[in-house]
Amino acid sequence: AQKITQTQPGMFVQEKEAVTLDCTYDTSDPSYGLFWYKQPSSGEMIFLIYQGSYDQQNATEGRYSLNFQKARKSANLVISASQLGDSAMYFCAMRGMNSGYSTLTFGKGTMLLVSP
Amino acid sequence: EAQVTQNPRYLITVTGKKLTVTCSQNMNHEYMSWYRQDPGLGLRQIYYSMNVEVTDKGDVPEGYKVSRKEKRNFPLILESPSPNQTSLYFCASSYHSANSYNEQFFGPGTRLTVL
Repeated sequence: AQKITQTQPGMFVQEKEAVTLDCTYDTSDPSYGLFWYKQPSSGEMIFLIYQGSYDQQNATEGRYSLNFQKARKSANLVISASQLGDSAMYFCAMRGMNSGYSTLTFGKGTMLLVSP
Repeated sequence: EAQVTQNPRYLITVTGKKLTVTCSQNMNHEYMSWYRQDPGLGLRQIYYSMNVEVTDKGDVPEGYKVSRKEKRNFPLILESPSPNQTSLYFCASSYHSANSYNEQFFGPGTRLTVL
């Protein structure tokens, strides 16, 4: 079984500062993928970034980067230079080989608030 | 435009009145899934489908039914809704392959209230 743990229910950051959202995972899958999604107050789910378990380098997408530490089973999202529009709920998720990559398991989310 | 559509977006109903939430995708995706989102619990999978006529239970299937008669459509059926099914529902789709990277595309969500 897969499990995602996001230990920070809420985070506060000032505009232009960097912030790290924590995500740890538990799986017995030899191959898996990790995802981060953003959910603004409007409700839609927006895909941010992906990291494969065999990827040698940490994923980056613009201001988003994923700090992947495989031995520690962590996949933290780093947002550089926060903007007011980054205020949202953030979900970490994973899918693994043992489920045929069929099931996306989500964490409970972290609410990020960016202040001016 | 590639998208997943859900209807209705908002629904208020009463206990026991059967309802269907439709989901349709135009990307020729094999894989489709339904999730419910509740405060403090994140998204939990209800049912998923790997292809036409192939469906399977997720983590919280009780009280729900699905069908996959066509590749593009994956309706969620609540035969006898109860107040504990009040939630935000998402449909999602993706390609299915032996690869961990298959980005799931989400619909806009359906907010259901059962009185």
